[in-house]
Amino acid sequence: DTGVSQNPRHKITKRGQNVTFRCDPISEHNRLYWYRQTLGQGPEFLTYFQNEAQLEKSRLLSDRFSAERPKGSFSTLEIQRTEQGDSAMYLCASSPRTANTGELFFGEGSRLTVL
Amino acid sequence: AQSVTQLGSHVSVSEGALVLLRCNYSSSVPPYLFWYVQYPNQGLQLLLKYTTGATLVKGINGFEAEFKKSETSFHLTKPSAHMSDAAEYFCAVTRENTNAGKSTFGDGTTLTVKP
Repeated sequence: DTGVSQNPRHKITKRGQNVTFRCDPISEHNRLYWYRQTLGQGPEFLTYFQNEAQLEKSRLLSDRFSAERPKGSFSTLEIQRTEQGDSAMYLCASSPRTANTGELFFGEGSRLTVL
Repeated sequence: AQSVTQLGSHVSVSEGALVLLRCNYSSSVPPYLFWYVQYPNQGLQLLLKYTTGATLVKGINGFEAEFKKSETSFHLTKPSAHMSDAAEYFCAVTRENTNAGKSTFGDGTTLTVKP
């Protein structure tokens, strides 16, 4: 069990550029979640996959945000035309189907700074 | 709809003193409740959880929490604080069903432990 892995850990970009984050969940976990965390706040739910199916998206996820999990393994979160308000920590978490209690296993996050 | 309120964004205790971090929740269905801890530059990790059964749950590092339905609370305690307990703590609520699994987090409480 190598844990949830996120890359890159830090990304600095200029406003208007596109960025992509990758998440590799724990291998036997079929559920994958993306959250966003800003300073002084708790994580906010963005979207959720069960295997390759994206089952729910938050209203926070504007049209500039897209997430994929093409083979039910790793996932990517892309932000197009970044804005300064997108600066945040993007957290990925996974959970196993068998542990149906909602417990989440988090990665260390990808911090985005938009200049 | 679910929500979580953590009373006190900052709590400071002396080493060896009682730790009490407060969490109140709102949920339209019986909740699953969690406490996560986040150390600097690390991801969130689960401290303890309540799903069903015994309302007093024990977690890692000597922490415990009690689910009180009548008070809609899930406060986190530790009898004797240690310097290594200094971190940010998040309370979260979820209710598993077929397609859900997302958690709603509080805004966190930063615990400082004074020598």
